[in-house]
Amino acid sequence: GAVVSQHPSRVICKSGTSVKIECRSLDFQATTMFWYRQFPKQSLMLMATSNEGSKATYEQGVEKDKFLINHASLTLSTLTVTSAHPEDSSFYICSARDRWGDSQFFGPGTRLTVL
Amino acid sequence: QKEVEQDPGPLSVPEGAIVSLNCTYSNSAFQYFMWYRQYSRKGPELLMYTYSSGNKEDGRFTAQVDKSSKYISLFIRDSQPSDSATYLCAMSAYGGATNKLIFGTGTLLAVQP
Repeated sequence: GAVVSQHPSRVICKSGTSVKIECRSLDFQATTMFWYRQFPKQSLMLMATSNEGSKATYEQGVEKDKFLINHASLTLSTLTVTSAHPEDSSFYICSARDRWGDSQFFGPGTRLTVL
Repeated sequence: QKEVEQDPGPLSVPEGAIVSLNCTYSNSAFQYFMWYRQYSRKGPELLMYTYSSGNKEDGRFTAQVDKSSKYISLFIRDSQPSDSATYLCAMSAYGGATNKLIFGTGTLLAVQP
């Protein structure tokens, strides 16, 4: 149980394009999903908290207009990196928790490379 | 000062050794403590979850929390090469719907066969 998937696992795009990453909870309903970014040899940095049916809450320093988050259903949240630039290249990981649990379950991550 | 401090390692041990991984923290409000294992280029996998102080054991893994010292540990007995990964501690003050986890930087562990 508690399986979270992400798609795509890897994406390479040109500078200026937009990239959408999907995060799905496969066997439970995720009332809350979290989006993290991880640079090489660094820890996970929380970008935003996404609650189903409401606007995401962004961490300080994260541009909400650049990182668009949609949590339209209890099993799906999407992160869209708009007008991506090389400095946005990173490992993006989502996590999800159901309404009863206290711990988070992570997806396998998406490696974004912007050329 | 970071809220959560963790030695990044790398830590190299021979197969069969007992491994001790640690984190310290500064926020006395933290009550929920987790250890995650992350293999290279993969998402973190929850290993242990504890609430408040005390010990918790699961197979070869033991988690300890000492809130008075603001110190948590993860012990791995009979370490195996497959345990080679980055171990992240994480903690939060709340267990509710929007519990935000604060992560340590992770300790890279290498178990040599």
